[in-house]
Amino acid sequence: ETGVTQSPTHLIKTRGQQVTLRCSSQSGHNTVSWYQQALGQGPQFIFQYYREEENGRGNFPPRFSGLQFPNYSSELNVNALELDDSALYLCASSLDRGPYNEQFFGPGTRLTVL
Amino acid sequence: DQQVKQNSPSLSVQEGRISILNCDYTNSMFDYFLWYKKYPAEGPTFLISISSIKDKNEDGRFTVFLNKSAKHLSLHIVPSQPGDSAVYFCAAPRGEAGANSKLTFGKGITLSVRP
Repeated sequence: ETGVTQSPTHLIKTRGQQVTLRCSSQSGHNTVSWYQQALGQGPQFIFQYYREEENGRGNFPPRFSGLQFPNYSSELNVNALELDDSALYLCASSLDRGPYNEQFFGPGTRLTVL
Repeated sequence: DQQVKQNSPSLSVQEGRISILNCDYTNSMFDYFLWYKKYPAEGPTFLISISSIKDKNEDGRFTVFLNKSAKHLSLHIVPSQPGDSAVYFCAAPRGEAGANSKLTFGKGITLSVRP
């Protein structure tokens, strides 16, 4: 059974650019959540996708957007990058969207915005 | 608005002794709590959970205690081992409509277990 994978591992962008991060969910999982972890902080919820539809969003501006594909893999897109977007971006998949379903995290993508 | 608080950023203990990691929460809607462990360059991995209908849950060397009246939980690791050195996050899912599995995390505690 393959776990959650994310690509790329590291990324360096400049202010104003756009970035796409990718996540492959664990086999059989239909729910993907994205989190941003800034240095010294805990992960913060960005949004969740369930069966290709957005299923809730955290306190992030609209320039953070996402997609989920029929195979339940997912993308996180960030437009007009700002310096504060520098963080570790974590993707987590779960068997279903209920609160008691264990979330399995990928290793994350480290984004640096210069 | 920090709904899950881990006020001690770090803890250092001797191998073989007990590690006690604390977590406080403010949201009375939380009815389920989880601890995650995170090593560098890896994603968080689930460690142990507790439902609000219990006050204790044990899994091997790990025990989580919940005090609902104080809105406080703690993770005990006995005996501590050097491989336990990691960042530990306390988290709770929101039980409300829309992304009800959204996890709210504390800032984490860095545990160092000295050989």
